[in-house]
Amino acid sequence: DTEVTQTPKHLVMGMTNKKSLKCEQHMGHRAMYWYKQKAKKPPELMFVYSYEKLSINESVPSRFSPECPNSSLLNLHLHALQPEDSALYLCASSPPAWGGQETQYFGPGTRLLVL
Amino acid sequence: AQKVTQAQTEISVVEKEDVTLDCVYETRDTTYYLFWYKQPPSGELVFLIRRNSFDEQNEISGRYSWNFQKSTSSFNFTITASQVVDSAVYFCALSEAGGSQGNLIFGKGTKLSVKP
Repeated sequence: DTEVTQTPKHLVMGMTNKKSLKCEQHMGHRAMYWYKQKAKKPPELMFVYSYEKLSINESVPSRFSPECPNSSLLNLHLHALQPEDSALYLCASSPPAWGGQETQYFGPGTRLLVL
Repeated sequence: AQKVTQAQTEISVVEKEDVTLDCVYETRDTTYYLFWYKQPPSGELVFLIRRNSFDEQNEISGRYSWNFQKSTSSFNFTITASQVVDSAVYFCALSEAGGSQGNLIFGKGTKLSVKP
C-alpha cells in the first residue's frame, strides 16, 4: 500500500487565521516531506523530517511551522499567511536513505487559498 | 550543477498515437537516480519509475516504456497507444547519491493532452 493521505483537500483562509494541514502514512516510512507547488511549476521542497526530527528547512518563512508528532503523522501549521502563499501543498514520504535516493510517495495535496 | 530539462512544455496528441516525453539531466555524481512522476488534474503526484545510474536497461510496463541513455544524459518516456486518461503533467526528476535527504530535482514538467 503506497498511500499518503492529506487533509483537508481544500482550504480557504484569511491572512489572520491559524490553520493546520495534516498528512498521514502507514507504510513504515521514516522520512516525510512538505512541498509547495504553484500553478504550472514543479514542486518546491519546504521541509524534511527524518526519524521525526527536522533535518531540512529550505529557508521557509516562519509563518509555516512543521510538526512531526510521530512516525506516521506530519502537520504544517499556518499562521498569518499572505495571498502569495496560495498553492498546492504536497506531502510525501519515503524510506530513509542517505542521498535521498529512495522513492518519494506523494499524497493528493491540499489546495490552499489565502484571501 | 544538477539540473533536469524537459524541453517540451506542452504536447497534444490524438488518442492511440504514440508520444515520447524528453528528459535531459545534468549531474556530476556518478551515482544518481532518475524518476518519472505523473500529475493528473486532481493534483496528486503519482510515482511511475525509478532508475539508478548503473542500470541502463530500458524498461517496459504495459503501454509505458523508458529509454535511459547515459551517453546523452537522457531518460525519455514513451507512451504507446495513448489514451485520454494519460492526460496529465509529467515530471522527470533527479536525485544524487551525494545529495541531502529529499534532494529531488524536478524538471519543469511536460503537459500532455490526449484528445479523443
